[in-house]
Amino acid sequence: QVHLMQSGAEVKRPGVSVKVSCEASDHTFTKNYMHWVRQAPGQGLEWMGIIDPSDGTTSYAQKFQGRVTLTRDTSTRTVYMELSSLRSEDTAVYYCARGSSGGANLEYWGQGTLVTVSS
Amino acid sequence: QPVLTQSSSASASLGSSVKLTCTLSSGHSDYIIAWHQQQPGKAPRYLMKVEGSGSYKKGSGVPDRFSGSSSGADRYLTISNLQSDDEADYYCETWDSNNRVFGGGTKLTVL
Repeated sequence: QVHLMQSGAEVKRPGVSVKVSCEASDHTFTKNYMHWVRQAPGQGLEWMGIIDPSDGTTSYAQKFQGRVTLTRDTSTRTVYMELSSLRSEDTAVYYCARGSSGGANLEYWGQGTLVTVSS
Repeated sequence: QPVLTQSSSASASLGSSVKLTCTLSSGHSDYIIAWHQQQPGKAPRYLMKVEGSGSYKKGSGVPDRFSGSSSGADRYLTISNLQSDDEADYYCETWDSNNRVFGGGTKLTVL
């Protein structure tokens, strides 16, 4: 069973950045894509981007281009999501999710990290 | 890119069955989708993927009460013998190149 452990809740002022981490438990870390999805309070799921842990290649949803950066550290099996120029609308729970080994769908989810942006 | 449409809510009685629908936009009727369940206050959980042929493959530990099917651009999630734990939001997901989209979610109430 794959476990994705995310960092704790954050409270940030508008205009600054936040960096959320996601550590994978399994040794197949470099074999499956990792995604980031967010969910604003009372809203649905919104995909942000994807990273290939084997080489660090990334692709971002158009909405977040220029504001989000995904990185990874293979030595600790950890992926990171950094979102800059935070505004109140970025208040949400941020999830990492691992892609399936047998397809392109998301298969395993982290527990989520609440990021609150407030002045 | 594809768009997924779901009813905002559904309800069914304890012990009965319910069929949730996810509809693919025009030109994308052959896409594979995945279903995810999100219980209140929890992270989403992957349930299964459903192909246009109607075949489906469930995730690890998903009960036999959950099944998938397909008809044209519609992808279905059927839950039989409804339990109180099944009360949750259900999202469908699909992908296109390096983008992916979610449906708006269906809130299932177990009466």
